[in-house]
Amino acid sequence: EPEVTQTPSHQVTQMGQEVILRCVPISNHLYFYWYRQILGQKVEFLVSFYNNEISEKSEIFDDQFSVERPDGSNFTLKIRSTKLEDSAMYFCASTDGYNEQFFGPGTRLTVL
Amino acid sequence: DQQVKQNSPSLSVQEGRISILNCDYTNSMFDYFLWYKKYPAEGPTFLISISSIKDKNEDGRFTVFLNKSAKHLSLHIVPSQPGDSAVYFCAASAMYSGAGSYQLTFGKGTKLSVIP
Repeated sequence: EPEVTQTPSHQVTQMGQEVILRCVPISNHLYFYWYRQILGQKVEFLVSFYNNEISEKSEIFDDQFSVERPDGSNFTLKIRSTKLEDSAMYFCASTDGYNEQFFGPGTRLTVL
Repeated sequence: DQQVKQNSPSLSVQEGRISILNCDYTNSMFDYFLWYKKYPAEGPTFLISISSIKDKNEDGRFTVFLNKSAKHLSLHIVPSQPGDSAVYFCAASAMYSGAGSYQLTFGKGTKLSVIP
């Protein structure tokens, strides 16, 4: 069964450093998303991506964040200068646009 | 701004009995609702969904009921099994909120414990 994969599973970084979280969505899907879940809180939408551009973004997704689909398979989230409050689980999701979103296993980001 | 609310943080049920998880929403634009199951250190796993044109959808042991006038949905699990123990998230989407989006708004989750 096709699945969304994410790497790395855990990323530890120093405050102010740049991180790139990687995702491989399901191959025939067209819509891609990043969500995050701070420990003990709910899953929050960050950004959606379709047709090689951002279609929607939340207030959380400020200028420090960017997304890219550098090739036909990968979908990345970059945080330019990490802050302590960026520590969270980051989930990638994809959908064909007609059905449910499939989520990856997540990347745990720890900012020290 | 809690557009999707799950007011019960936890629920304990005996194995074999029915589990009922509840969810309320406030945004009238939501027209597609989903339930996800999540284990610790894993991503949410899709369980079942319902669109606003229906009031019930069933898949095996899982049934979702939607009451649009009350802006309320519920997930019924019958019979409950120990393997069902997980956190259950209600999520909603406004399918026509914008081209190429369908972003999900999640509730805070309900931790279900099924006791053998």
